[in-house]
Amino acid sequence: KQEVTQIPAALSVPEGENLVLNCSFTDSAIYNLQWFRQDPGKGLTSLLLIQSSQREQTSGRLNASLDKSSGRSTLYIAASQPGDSATYLCAVIKAAGNKLTFGGGTRVLVKP
Amino acid sequence: SAVISQKPSRDICQRGTSLTIQCQVDSQVTMMFWYRQQPGQSLTLIATANQGSEATYESGFVIDKFPISRPNLTFSTLTVSNMSPEDSSIYLCSVSTNRVLEQYFGPGTRLTVT
Repeated sequence: KQEVTQIPAALSVPEGENLVLNCSFTDSAIYNLQWFRQDPGKGLTSLLLIQSSQREQTSGRLNASLDKSSGRSTLYIAASQPGDSATYLCAVIKAAGNKLTFGGGTRVLVKP
Repeated sequence: SAVISQKPSRDICQRGTSLTIQCQVDSQVTMMFWYRQQPGQSLTLIATANQGSEATYESGFVIDKFPISRPNLTFSTLTVSNMSPEDSSIYLCSVSTNRVLEQYFGPGTRLTVT
């Protein structure tokens, strides 16, 4: 059974500092990995998707890496801003059934 | 991508009653899913909504408690039946639209059962 873990559970940084969020998964037979952002009481916004054949994806200040063999992904957010404060969730999917398995999330606070 | 709307956005219900949540997508999609997010927790998949056939439920979720309909490729409903306070959660629908199986989520329905 796939298990996804995110460490740390919470993170507080001063504005301008780079953020590093970690995600690990137990079964390396994944089809892709997706990073989401969730604001309090809201739905999920898709940030980046990395296919199993890829090593990284970039979008603006966001960069996500994937090491499938070691079961790890890292989301980097450069030059953090207070507007980056949110919970960040990673999720993996196996092709069969299209089911997403989520990690517990990392709650980020960027202090002005 | 896809634009997804959900109704209602929130509701407060009494125990023993039922609530039906609607999910509408702006384009035809193959896969639709329903998730639950309990307070302070991550997301758990309830079921896959199949167009024209019965939904596929995950372990721990049953059709009598969470009946799902999907009459076409752009719409689905989830009913939370005979509610108890333990059903207080955010319920989210999601869709998968492309070959890389990227999923997009609706804004969620915040349910409080008193």
